[in-house]
Amino acid sequence: SQELEQSPQSLIVQEGKNLTINCTSSKTLYGLYWYKQKYGEGLIFLMMLQKGGEEKSHEKITAKLDEKKQQSSLHITASQPSHAGIYLCGAESLAILTGTASKLTFGTGTRLQVTL
Amino acid sequence: DVKVTQSSRYLVKRTGEKVFLECVQDMDHENMFWYRQDPGLGLRLIYFSYDVKMKEKGDIPEGYSVSREKKERFSLILESASTNQTSMYLCASSLVLPSGANVLTFGAGSRLTVL
Repeated sequence: SQELEQSPQSLIVQEGKNLTINCTSSKTLYGLYWYKQKYGEGLIFLMMLQKGGEEKSHEKITAKLDEKKQQSSLHITASQPSHAGIYLCGAESLAILTGTASKLTFGTGTRLQVTL
Repeated sequence: DVKVTQSSRYLVKRTGEKVFLECVQDMDHENMFWYRQDPGLGLRLIYFSYDVKMKEKGDIPEGYSVSREKKERFSLILESASTNQTSMYLCASSLVLPSGANVLTFGAGSRLTVL
């Protein structure tokens, strides 16, 4: 089965600083999803990447999928306390071109704290 | 907005008890999922369902069963709860978009403690 490794496991940054979280897959990624979880709550979808080299942004968060489609990075610019939480990457286990449901495997998460 | 509702936020049960975790979604999604989340292990898929009465095992189905009698409801059942099933349980639903994207919408979670 597909395994996703996230680094770092935890991160403490000062407000206003930039940071990057990485997600590395043991297999080719057909669809890579980034989610955020506030402590003790459910996950909120951030963005999805499908093509090698693709890059997407939402407010101050940018995610990229490398050309070989085995690694993704999530970059936060000028971090704010509202960015604190757990960031998880998730990957499809089947080619998304089939259009059928497939199980989503998640990484272990990166816990982000933003200090004032 | 899509809403996924989990019936209980917190439950405390005793070893050997039968436990039902209920999940309801209100957007006619085909697919529903049950995950458990544990520190250091991340989210692990227990079961998923892509249609009424259909179910597929995830990565850790042992000790669990599921029921999907209606499209909007997906229940997770612990036939005989054990202490190693103490965890946060997350339900999700999804619809596969024309682009192939399978975006999951999660409930708030149910934290189960088995004594």
